[in-house]
Amino acid sequence: QKEVEQNSGPLSVPEGAIASLNCTYSDRGSQSFFWYRQYSGKSPELIMFIYSNGDKEDGRFTAQLNKASQYVSLLIRDSQPSDSATYLCAGVNNNDMRFGAGTRLTVKP
Amino acid sequence: EPEVTQTPSHQVTQMGQEVILRCVPISNHLYFYWYRQILGQKVEFLVSFYNNEISEKSEIFDDQFSVERPDGSNFTLKIRSTKLEDSAMYFCASSVEDNYGYTFGSGTRLTVV
Repeated sequence: QKEVEQNSGPLSVPEGAIASLNCTYSDRGSQSFFWYRQYSGKSPELIMFIYSNGDKEDGRFTAQLNKASQYVSLLIRDSQPSDSATYLCAGVNNNDMRFGAGTRLTVKP
Repeated sequence: EPEVTQTPSHQVTQMGQEVILRCVPISNHLYFYWYRQILGQKVEFLVSFYNNEISEKSEIFDDQFSVERPDGSNFTLKIRSTKLEDSAMYFCASSVEDNYGYTFGSGTRLTVV
């Protein structure tokens, strides 16, 4: 089984706060992990990817990977109302990328 | 910025008919994918395609489905004998390398009536 699990939420945070999104995966063969943002009715949009244990920062976003625990997370600092969307976690193993069900995030002004 | 282009944006078809969904991947990308998303559900992997052949496929991608790269730019998904449960948004994606981030097209909404 190549399952990616996410807390479906909804997660609600006030503007300016840190939003924390979590994901676990079952396929130990997964080599890289991705966070996508999907607005309602739109296609997934890549935010960032990570393939090494530890943290990776890109602007307001930080991805964290712990392969021993099979855990991936995304932190969004200084959350903005425009960050309100569904966030999809995905893992890939040899051309087979599997998505979690997504966490719906609402950032309230 | 380079885009993955999908046509049509919306297709309505009668149950039992065949449909072909079309995609133009980013020109220097070598890996191509089809996903579907039933309304309100997760994005589901269908198939990946590299070097003119299928490299991986999911349990969803049965004999009803086929993919083709008929020329140097197009990548198509054919669904034979459509069923009501095939109604979904179908996304094409491409990537420059294996295990790299995918760029998604804007999708084709397929409605089977």
